[in-house]
Amino acid sequence: SDELTQPPSVSVSPGQTARITCSGDALSKHYSYWYQQKPGQAPLMVIHIDTERPSGIPERFSGSSSGTTVTLTISGVQAEDEADYYCQSTDNSGTSVVFGGGTRLTVL
Amino acid sequence: QLRLQESGPGLVRPSETLSLNCVVSSGTIIRSNYYWGWIRQPPGKGLEWLGSVYFRGDTYYNPSLKSRVTISLDTSKSETQFSLRLTSVTAADTAVYFCARHRGDPGTIVDSFFDYWGQGTLVPVSS
Repeated sequence: SDELTQPPSVSVSPGQTARITCSGDALSKHYSYWYQQKPGQAPLMVIHIDTERPSGIPERFSGSSSGTTVTLTISGVQAEDEADYYCQSTDNSGTSVVFGGGTRLTVL
Repeated sequence: QLRLQESGPGLVRPSETLSLNCVVSSGTIIRSNYYWGWIRQPPGKGLEWLGSVYFRGDTYYNPSLKSRVTISLDTSKSETQFSLRLTSVTAADTAVYFCARHRGDPGTIVDSFFDYWGQGTLVPVSS
């Protein structure tokens, strides 16, 4: 399957660690990217090439990859991290961009 | 700082064609390693990639929409605009439409990503 599967929601208390997974067959062949989207805003890339953090993204954001699953980890979650998070990759044929369904992170 | 700005009609009627333009400021779209893409987001739902175009004219489209989507560079006007056409729209095409810079290698969109986005424009489809 070319789909990317994410949990619909994740909830954590401030200061805790949030982990958001993204699963799909294509992830064993292609890199993943993570975007943060706050209400009314355009998405912002927070992780690229599975594990790299773009300039300006806080160090508490990290990414990891294992087989067909990639994980976005937010350590020491802050209230401002409450947002929707989307993973993105390429399909198995390498001709189409695919997004995960998105995960709403709630900071309790 | 690169900026992208979508523009288009505030409302489209069912069965008609949705047309949007994206103006790129502080840069040109005629650059290697950059495609220019469109992504949409229905209200309350997730992101869906529509397609992308390279400055040479190569295009990639979402297979589920390929028969209705055309993305092109507006070279007749300047080197800083690209456009989206979506034909035979229905209420299901109501969404916020984003244009974005799509970074990738020439001839492939494998391992490509979106690094600059427009603010998005809501396009309702309604009679």
